[in-house]
Amino acid sequence: EVQLLESGGNLVQPGGSLRLSCTASGFTFSNYAMSWVRQAPGKGLEWVSAISGSGATTYYADSVKGRLTISRDNSKNTLYLQMNSLRAEDTAVYYCARRFRELTSDAFDFWGQGTMVTVTS
Amino acid sequence: DIQMTQSPSSLSASVGDRVTITCRASQSISNYLNWYQQKPGKAPKLLIYGASTLQSGVPSRFSGSGSGTDFTLTISSLQPEDFATYHCQQSYSTLMYTFGQGTKLEIK
Repeated sequence: EVQLLESGGNLVQPGGSLRLSCTASGFTFSNYAMSWVRQAPGKGLEWVSAISGSGATTYYADSVKGRLTISRDNSKNTLYLQMNSLRAEDTAVYYCARRFRELTSDAFDFWGQGTMVTVTS
Repeated sequence: DIQMTQSPSSLSASVGDRVTITCRASQSISNYLNWYQQKPGKAPKLLIYGASTLQSGVPSRFSGSGSGTDFTLTISSLQPEDFATYHCQQSYSTLMYTFGQGTKLEIK
């Protein structure tokens, strides 16, 4: 059974840092690209960042470029999101999601339960 | 960047109704369009990918159509468990995704 379990969410002051983790099980982690998606309270979903299966290639939304860094440790089946220079607008539930890809399809087929990040003074 | 616009933002309907939600892309995305269902306090769940392919285990009352810039999600006969928020997502730009703003489906 595929499982994704996020951790690391917390209350942090503006300008502070936090590292989120997503531990995967039930599939060959290194075979799949992964993403972080966030949802601010009462708002829609916002894709944040993605990383290839090997970890060699990363992608970021413009809103987080230069402040958030995605990485992975395939030996530990774990995805990370290092969050620096946090702002109030980064307050959200952060989900990790597995990329599912077919010939002409590309979607997120499994999601974690989410971890809450609150940026406030 | 590709922008995704859903309509309506919210919708009231009754059990048994047929419901349609639309999603428009700011440029052609072929059929790289996915639909997710999200219930309060829960993670999103993949319903439809590639504009029209039903994810395994999703009831057949859900269907998707469209290509290019205009897409629809249809629920043929609403069930009580279908009241949720629905999100569209483009995946045309490799590993650079965008979501619509969501459509909240409420009980009338």
